[in-house]
Amino acid sequence: KNEVEQSPQNLTAQEGEFITINCSYSVGISALHWLQQHPGGGIVSLFMLSSGKKKHGRLIATINIQEKHSSLHITASHPRDSAVYICAVLKETSGSRLTFGEGTQLTVNP
Amino acid sequence: KAGVTQTPRYLIKTRGQQVTLSCSPISGHRSVSWYQQTPGQGLQFLFEYFSETQRNKGNFPGRFSGRQFSNSRSEMNVSTLELGDSALYLCASSLAAGVDTQYFGPGTRLTVL
Repeated sequence: KNEVEQSPQNLTAQEGEFITINCSYSVGISALHWLQQHPGGGIVSLFMLSSGKKKHGRLIATINIQEKHSSLHITASHPRDSAVYICAVLKETSGSRLTFGEGTQLTVNP
Repeated sequence: KAGVTQTPRYLIKTRGQQVTLSCSPISGHRSVSWYQQTPGQGLQFLFEYFSETQRNKGNFPGRFSGRQFSNSRSEMNVSTLELGDSALYLCASSLAAGVDTQYFGPGTRLTVL
């Protein structure tokens, strides 16, 4: 079983919809990252969370350390949000070594 | 401030050859990590360097090696290339090692024929 599991693997939405992507992990962590990868490969770091909730524009990320679960929400989705969203954890005492989920392919149709 | 740069962006090699990839971190960043991304295995950690010292190594064979220079630039080398080494190789830099935002480069796409 993977240490980091994401759901769903694929998600198709209509423009304007509220989107939720989930991440569960089975190890002790120092932090959790949400990353965005567009076609062509470039990866952008969206959030780094150790606790609670963070918001940036239409993106919101939450984490529940006790339940070992994090969610990424996108409000008022737009076709430019179409990308792969990847959850990655920094395990305790692992330095900068990230362990990745398999990613969620999001497609937002106009 | 310039972002993380990687050279070359694309590379085609044949089996048995060796390859060197370069990563220049954001100015002032001392930590550089390397990752391999393939369709089958997803993203996997290769190495982490901080102040010219390798702090962490992933589960890859000894054909994969790396180093970091005093200006924080990093190189990774793959010797005796195999078809399965075809992948996108990404590096990421951060100010400090550990709990810090990692900034990714655009990647080097390596194709082994």
